[in-house]
Amino acid sequence: GNSVTQMEGPVTLSEEAFLTINCTYTATGYPSLFWYVQYPGEGLQLLLKATKADDKGSNKGFEATYRKETTSFHLEKGSVQVSDSAVYFCALSDQSSGSARQLTFGSGTQLTVLP
Amino acid sequence: DTEVTQTPKHLVMGMTNKKSLKCEQHMGHRAMYWYKQKAKKPPELMFVYSYEKLSINESVPSRFSPECPNSSLLNLHLHALQPEDSALYLCASSQGGTVSNQPQHFGDGTRLSIL
Repeated sequence: GNSVTQMEGPVTLSEEAFLTINCTYTATGYPSLFWYVQYPGEGLQLLLKATKADDKGSNKGFEATYRKETTSFHLEKGSVQVSDSAVYFCALSDQSSGSARQLTFGSGTQLTVLP
Repeated sequence: DTEVTQTPKHLVMGMTNKKSLKCEQHMGHRAMYWYKQKAKKPPELMFVYSYEKLSINESVPSRFSPECPNSSLLNLHLHALQPEDSALYLCASSQGGTVSNQPQHFGDGTRLSIL
């Protein structure tokens, strides 16, 4: 079956530090890959996505590249802000038996950015 | 603001009560989802509706009963819940069909507490 493995948290950084959150996946087909962010008290927001190998998703200074050879989709940001403090989920979307695609989530990584 | 609206935001109920959670989207999406999320964990899929038909039920206890009255609305009827059912309940929608690169859009959830 499909699975997503994320680096364990929590991660604590100082403002303006470089961020990497590792994500690797196992899938039988050619999945689409996503990063979602969940701020305290809110639902999940789509941060970025990539649909095929070598695609780079980017949004709000965050980037991730779909690496088929290493089955990875690591999230990076060059300079984090206090407002980036949240839980980050890596996810993949696969072919399902019905006509709606299911998401497989990683365990989530709690990021805290200190001023 | 999210494009998927969930009501109520908070719900406290006793184990003998009957209540309903509501979800609405006006993006023309044809797939809608219910998830359960416990603290510090990723969302767990409960149900998927595709073109208003239940396509996936992830072995959810019968005290949870989903309903999709039309393509914009999704309900989750609750009856005789247990304390372990206390969680954040998230609704999501996506374009559905066979295209896997369309992301799911989440609401902010209903935080449910069972006394």
